[in-house]
Amino acid sequence: KAGVTQTPRYLIKTRGQQVTLSCSPISGHRSVSWYQQTPGQGLQFLFEYFSETQRNKGNFPGRFSGRQFSNSRSEMNVSTLELGDSALYLCASSFRTGESSPLHFGNGTRLTVT
Amino acid sequence: AQSVTQLGSHVSVSEGALVLLRCNYSSSVPPYLFWYVQYPNQGLQLLLKYTSAATLVKGINGFEAEFKKSETSFHLTKPSAHMSDAAEYFCAQNTGNQFYFGTGTSLTVIP
Repeated sequence: KAGVTQTPRYLIKTRGQQVTLSCSPISGHRSVSWYQQTPGQGLQFLFEYFSETQRNKGNFPGRFSGRQFSNSRSEMNVSTLELGDSALYLCASSFRTGESSPLHFGNGTRLTVT
Repeated sequence: AQSVTQLGSHVSVSEGALVLLRCNYSSSVPPYLFWYVQYPNQGLQLLLKYTSAATLVKGINGFEAEFKKSETSFHLTKPSAHMSDAAEYFCAQNTGNQFYFGTGTSLTVIP
């Protein structure tokens, strides 16, 4: 069974630009969550989508947005990039049938903002 | 607010020695607890999960964790460290369908 796939693996952008990251969940998983990982802040929750609806949202500015498609694939968009947005962005999928459902992570997209 | 505390951001052990990574949770209801491992330039991989079926949980790669409600702890152990165990380890709890992650513990294995 294929795991969570994130594309691209690496991105270099300039301040002020926007970026779109893509995530394909494990087949059958309807929940997709996004996390930002930085050395100083650790793992920070961005948002979760389930059946195309945003279920939870973390404390990030409106420049960070996402969406989920009918096939459960998800995209995350960051507009007006800032240097502080440089991070590893992780996508995770789950069955979300209950609190015992673990998250399954992709290998992430490494975003560098210059 | 729910939170997960991992004591020790860096832990070093000798190859063959016991590995002990500490995790304390805060939850007013029995939580679902998880340990993940992250190797460089990779995502997080599930090591094991606690779902109240048994207090001692066995995971992959020889790791296990014990749930102790009286201590609100879920420490991760492995009897004998291997060089390949060097990685970042994260403890997490799922409460109300929201995951809360600890800040991680970097494990170094000394040959």
